[in-house]
Amino acid sequence: EVQLVESGGGLIEPGRSLRLSCAASGFPFDEYAMHWVRQVPGKGLQWVSGIYSNSDKVGYVDSVKGRFTISRDNAKNSLYLQMNSLRVEDTALYFCAKDLHHYVSDAFHMWGQGTMVTVSS
Amino acid sequence: QSALTQPASVSGSPGQSITISCTGTSSDIAVYKFVSWYQHHPGKAPKLIIYDVVHRPSGVSNRFSGSASGNTASLTISGLQADDEASYYCSSYTSFITAVFGTGTKVTVL
Repeated sequence: EVQLVESGGGLIEPGRSLRLSCAASGFPFDEYAMHWVRQVPGKGLQWVSGIYSNSDKVGYVDSVKGRFTISRDNAKNSLYLQMNSLRVEDTALYFCAKDLHHYVSDAFHMWGQGTMVTVSS
Repeated sequence: QSALTQPASVSGSPGQSITISCTGTSSDIAVYKFVSWYQHHPGKAPKLIIYDVVHRPSGVSNRFSGSASGNTASLTISGLQADDEASYYCSSYTSFITAVFGTGTKVTVL
């Protein structure tokens, strides 16, 4: 059974940093691209970042470029999101999602339950 | 990276068919033809129901079907059921290794 378990969320002050993790199991992690998607409570989904299966290529939504860094450790079946210079508008539930392909596409096949990030002073 | 445009809400009676539109631009749907659809019940993880415009993942009901023309994609739900009441999001691959979601549509079963 495919499982994606996010962790690392919490309450953080603006300008600070936070690192999210996603532990994957139940599938060959190193064969699939992975993503972070967020949802502000009561609002819609927003794609945040994606990474190829071999980390060869990454992509970000414009609003987080230069502040967030996606990475993965295929040996540990883990996906990460380093979030720096956090802003109030980064407050959201962050989902980890598995792509259908080894390359970044828009087909987010499996999702975790999410970890909540609240940026507030 | 503007969100794709969806109607805020669509409703239908049990057994009816409804269609949700998803309008993009020349930078996404019209160019790449990579469109997916997701069903999202509150408090649950989103579920992929259509990918690559028309394909259904294993286990997804054939009551869900997708299509696209130009810069607009559509999701049709036939034989509407109570459990179909949820939010639905389209998505598309865009340029430079990015993806974008639609604004979301709340489906109500009357």
